Amino acid sequence: GQSLEQPSEVTAVEGAIVQINCTYQTSGFYGLSWYQQHDGGAPTFLSYNALDGLEETGRFSSFLSRSDSYGYLLLQELQMKDSASYFCAVRDPTGRRALTFGSGTRLQVQP
Amino acid sequence: DSGVTQTPKHLITATGQRVTLRCSPRSGDLSVYWYQQSLDQGLQFLIQYYNGEERAKGNILERFSAQQFPDLHSELNLSSLELGDSALYFCASSAGTSGPSTDTQYFGPGTRLTVL
Repeated sequence: GQSLEQPSEVTAVEGAIVQINCTYQTSGFYGLSWYQQHDGGAPTFLSYNALDGLEETGRFSSFLSRSDSYGYLLLQELQMKDSASYFCAVRDPTGRRALTFGSGTRLQVQP
Repeated sequence: DSGVTQTPKHLITATGQRVTLRCSPRSGDLSVYWYQQSLDQGLQFLIQYYNGEERAKGNILERFSAQQFPDLHSELNLSSLELGDSALYFCASSAGTSGPSTDTQYFGPGTRLTVL
């Protein structure tokens, strides 16, 4: 089977940097994705890492280490609107794009 | 707006009933995925269709079924409903079904199902 672990909650202040970690177990690895979900909203794609290293998209960056089965999402210059849940996800071990999600990390940004 | 539409937005029904949730993928996307999100189970993959054919199955109950039509819209049928089926049901779409890519899935706004 597949499993992903991430912290349940993180709190940070506006303007700060926060890192959300994710460790995963899967029999076939095809990349690690990150999604953001605001309360009552739909998950929204943030980033995808298939290879080791850092991917940067504006204020958000995502890192992957396949040897450690570990990744993280880095949010810089936090804004109040970044308060949301963040999910890491891996693809089906056969390579198909069905996703298995972690339980989500609830980020609360305080003024 | 992701371009994925789902109807209805809310659905309230009684135990033992049957409901149908509808999803229209983004224009040009051939893959449709159904996910269930509940407080205790998180976001769980149910089933995937690609160009009308079932491609992957997740934790979908036998009481649940889905199909994708020639115009690529999809329906999720939930029958013999139980209290525990109350959840948010999301549909997502993507361009392909496998292979390397940015791996983006575009989620619809969801259908909130309440079983009383």
